[in-house]
Amino acid sequence: AQSVTQLDSQVPVFEEAPVELRCNYSSSVSVYLFWYVQYPNQGLQLLLKYLSGSTLVKGINGFEAEFNKSQTSFHLRKPSVHISDTAEYFCAVSRPMNRDDKIIFGKGTRLHILP
Amino acid sequence: DAGVIQSPRHEVTEMGQEVTLRCKPISGHDYLFWYRQTMMRGLELLIYFNNNVPIDDSGMPEDRFSAKMPNASFSTLKIQPSEPRDSAVYFCASRKDSHTEAFFGQGTRLTVV
Repeated sequence: AQSVTQLDSQVPVFEEAPVELRCNYSSSVSVYLFWYVQYPNQGLQLLLKYLSGSTLVKGINGFEAEFNKSQTSFHLRKPSVHISDTAEYFCAVSRPMNRDDKIIFGKGTRLHILP
Repeated sequence: DAGVIQSPRHEVTEMGQEVTLRCKPISGHDYLFWYRQTMMRGLELLIYFNNNVPIDDSGMPEDRFSAKMPNASFSTLKIQPSEPRDSAVYFCASRKDSHTEAFFGQGTRLTVV
């Protein structure tokens, strides 16, 4: 079964500092990977996705993520965070090749931006 | 398109009452997912449909929960009878096909007292 592990439940970081949110997945077959952001009292919005091709994926709001197959990781990064990036971030995985079309989410990482 | 539409946004009900949550997916999307979000368990997949057919309901907590998709533009999640531990935010999401991302509704915040 597929699963997603987000190693940090909370990450504090100073404004304008870089940040990395970690995500590892378990799957023995090809996967699609996603990062979503959730602002307070809202639904989830897609930040970026990896389906195939280049392992470095760029998303909205200056975020990027790198797919590392050997380490089964898909860490999210931003070189300089802003107070508006305060939110919860979710990593997700799906396995399109096994007719298993569900999307499984990690438990989320809450990003706290410190002034 | 207006996106995935869920109703109601908030629901407060008494223990033992029946609760029905509603979802209208994005037109043309083949997949519909129901998730439940709590602080303790995060975002759990309850059930998902492909072309209105339930594919995997292994996440449905117990027989008190049921979900239907009578047509491509409407789905319901019903809890009968409701219990305080069902209090959570319930999200509906739709997906065009298995090679795209899912789009989420704004969620229904359910409180069972």
